[in-house]
Amino acid sequence: EAGVAQSPRYKIIEKRQSVAFWCNPISGHATLYWYQQILGQGPKLLIQFQNNGVVDDSQLPKDRFSAERLKGVDSTLKIQPAKLEDSAVYLCASSTTSGTTDTQYFGPGTRLTVL
Amino acid sequence: LAKTTQPISMDSYEGQEVNITCSHNNIATNDYITWYQQFPSQGPRFIIQGYKTKVTNEVASLFIPADRKSSTLSLPRVSLSDTAVYYCLVALQAGTALIFGKGTTLSVSS
Repeated sequence: EAGVAQSPRYKIIEKRQSVAFWCNPISGHATLYWYQQILGQGPKLLIQFQNNGVVDDSQLPKDRFSAERLKGVDSTLKIQPAKLEDSAVYLCASSTTSGTTDTQYFGPGTRLTVL
Repeated sequence: LAKTTQPISMDSYEGQEVNITCSHNNIATNDYITWYQQFPSQGPRFIIQGYKTKVTNEVASLFIPADRKSSTLSLPRVSLSDTAVYYCLVALQAGTALIFGKGTTLSVSS
């Protein structure tokens, strides 16, 4: 079974520039999550999709971050404009959300450096 | 949502058994206890999950006392490759986002 795919793996941009990250979840997984992980901390949820609808985006800085999941499969997370404090690893995870509990499968992440 | 407390770091030697204890005093009736492992430059990986008593898989064991206010992840005979950050999470039912703390950094030496 193929895992969660993310691209690019690394990205370096100047502050105020725009950047986009792509995620392809495990086939058949209805739920998709984007997490932000700052160095030395645990991942923090940015947004959660169920199929192509947003379940939770309460911690997404909506003035600069946006995300979409068209057709309930792939997802894109965008930052526009980027700030220095956005430097972090952006992790995508997916799960089946079936049964009582589920397991979230994480991709390798995209490491963003904002200069 | 229940908050978890676990040691910031632990050191061990190859071949030893490592026990990482996590405190979750405010755990709710429907919450499950889940542990993830994260290596540098990788996303977290599910290790084990339990609700009560003991759960064992090919990687680890999870011990949960009757009051469920704490849990202990047990890694038998660790090797250098077990060096990683281990996160204890209290998760609601399926479809709920995970709330990560800072985790426990386990360092295994030869």
